[in-house]
Amino acid sequence: ELKVEQNPLFLSMQEGKNYTIYCNYSTTSDRLYWYRQDPGKSLESLFVLLSNGAVKQEGRLMASLDTKARLSTLHITAAVHDLSATYFCAENTGTASKLTFGTGTRLQVTL
Amino acid sequence: KAGVTQTPRYLIKTRGQQVTLSCSPISGHRSVSWYQQTPGQGLQFLFEYFSETQRNKGNFPGRFSGRQFSNSRSEMNVSTLELGDSALYLCASSLAGGGNSPLHFGNGTRLTVT
Repeated sequence: ELKVEQNPLFLSMQEGKNYTIYCNYSTTSDRLYWYRQDPGKSLESLFVLLSNGAVKQEGRLMASLDTKARLSTLHITAAVHDLSATYFCAENTGTASKLTFGTGTRLQVTL
Repeated sequence: KAGVTQTPRYLIKTRGQQVTLSCSPISGHRSVSWYQQTPGQGLQFLFEYFSETQRNKGNFPGRFSGRQFSNSRSEMNVSTLELGDSALYLCASSLAGGGNSPLHFGNGTRLTVT
């Protein structure tokens, strides 16, 4: 059974601090996705990681993928309040658009 | 370019009724997937359609069904509604559903079953 685990589930951090969200998955997938969801809103695609060692950065967020360790990380640098949201990682192992999502990490950035 | 459009945004139904949700993908996208989001189970894959054919199915009972039309628009139907079907139903589209491009999600339909 495919399993995707994220930790922490909840993260409260001060503005300006750095932190990392971890995503462990159970298969040999080489494709990993990160999404952001604001309360009451839909999912917004952040990153698509397609190979071992892939690293992508957008603003204060940087995602990486280690397929050997079956681990992806989402690093937040100098957090700002606007980053408060729930972040999901998801893996895809087939040719279809079937994603297995993690439990989500609710990030709260306080002033 | 218009995003993924889901209608209606909100629905309130009674146990035992049936419901149909609609999804219009981004123009040119041929793959449409459906997901259920609940506080308890999180985001779960329902099914995916590509070129009017169901290509993949999640672990949901047969009460959940869908279809895709020739213009790639998709509908999802839930029959004999149960209280546990209350959820946010998200539709997502992608060019070909091959996994190399992200899914683009709609704003969802929030279904409440009373």
